[in-house]
Amino acid sequence: YVLTQPPSVSVAPGQTASVTCGGNNIGGKSVHWYQQKAGQAPILVVFDDTHRPSGIPDRFSGSNSGNTATLTVSRVEAGDEADYYCQVWDRSSDNQGVFGGGTKVTVL
Amino acid sequence: DVQLVESGGGLIQPGGSLRLSCAVSGFTVSANYMNWVRQAPGKGLEWVSVIYSSGGTYYSDAVRGRFTISRDNSKNTLYLQLNSLRAEDTAVYYCATGHSDWSFRFDYWGQGTQVTVSS
Repeated sequence: YVLTQPPSVSVAPGQTASVTCGGNNIGGKSVHWYQQKAGQAPILVVFDDTHRPSGIPDRFSGSNSGNTATLTVSRVEAGDEADYYCQVWDRSSDNQGVFGGGTKVTVL
Repeated sequence: DVQLVESGGGLIQPGGSLRLSCAVSGFTVSANYMNWVRQAPGKGLEWVSVIYSSGGTYYSDAVRGRFTISRDNSKNTLYLQLNSLRAEDTAVYYCATGHSDWSFRFDYWGQGTQVTVSS
């Protein structure tokens, strides 16, 4: 199972950044999103398509339908600059985790 | 608090072997799905292996037959045995786990341990 993300997204402070994750009928799977800043381990920012872990600002939201899942970061701040990865669990061929290639979000 | 602490990485020659450890506190290794995820220099995240609470294990195509995941319940520790190492196995290796045994998200991550395969 393959997840496709754009390599980069640029956004001005205060604006909205959208990061897409494409996959065959991804709307039928649960999608999770991770933020990874330089030199750090990833952290979970959205799980099961739309839910936020405790401590994650409500500026982070997710959606999932059809062949595309989307992470939306509203009112972008300089501290949101990071790599973002989508992830699903693939049971179709073998039980395994699958990550998208990652999207670098740059705050202008 | 949940803590995952990896160790065992280092510089190893091609064809060599290494065993990584992930010591866990605040979370029961035997009762949850435990994973290894790696990240090659300048590259994205790559899932490597999982061990379920049932003991079942699965691997990515890239490592199947060379890597073995296991756990020691008495030490609450996860392991990854790396054999027949190749240059393309060079990466930071993270252990990761979470709360959902149906959607398999990764709520918790270690800080990672560096494995470098080079002659």
